[in-house]
Amino acid sequence: AQTVTQSQPEMSVQEAETVTLSCTYDTSESDYYLFWYKQPPSRQMILVIRQEAYKQQNATENRFSVNFQKAAKSFSLKISDSQLGDAAMYFCAYRGQGGSEKLVFGKGMKLTVNP
Amino acid sequence: DVKVTQSSRYLVKRTGEKVFLECVQDMDHENMFWYRQDPGLGLRLIYFSYDVKMKEKGDIPEGYSVSREKKERFSLILESASTNQTSMYLCASSPPARGQPQHFGDGTRLSIL
Repeated sequence: AQTVTQSQPEMSVQEAETVTLSCTYDTSESDYYLFWYKQPPSRQMILVIRQEAYKQQNATENRFSVNFQKAAKSFSLKISDSQLGDAAMYFCAYRGQGGSEKLVFGKGMKLTVNP
Repeated sequence: DVKVTQSSRYLVKRTGEKVFLECVQDMDHENMFWYRQDPGLGLRLIYFSYDVKMKEKGDIPEGYSVSREKKERFSLILESASTNQTSMYLCASSPPARGQPQHFGDGTRLSIL
């Protein structure tokens, strides 16, 4: 079974600086999808960014970008110019190549942004 | 925008009660999911459904059942609530296309006393 590991339970960053959140996964599949979700305090879980494994190019969404290393099974999220609103729980998730759309989530990481 | 609505934000029930958590989505999504979120454990899939009246067990289905009589509604049922089911419950939906992101509701924080 696939597993997703977020090894750092908490991180902090100064406002306007850059932070990288790590995620590794274990799979024998070659075609899959990876996601980063953000859950602000007492608020809804929302998608940050999505990566398709067969695409070599790293996904980017404004200040958010990923470093996808397929051979190393690593999928880190870089947040540039951190803002106070980036403070949240961040979850890495994996969707395999089977017919089911179910996701496997990491345990999450709490990001604090200091003013 | 997709809207996934969970019927209650907070709910308090007693041990042994039958508890219903309701979830409605407005985007005609085929797939719907129920997760449980606990600190340090992330999100764990309880059940999911890919069509009306269809359901599949997730990773932790014990003590739960689900119902999907209409496409837009997916209900999670705790047959006989126990204190270890105190948790945050999240509902999500997604379209049928492969690899599409899931859209989440606000969550229901359920306390079983």
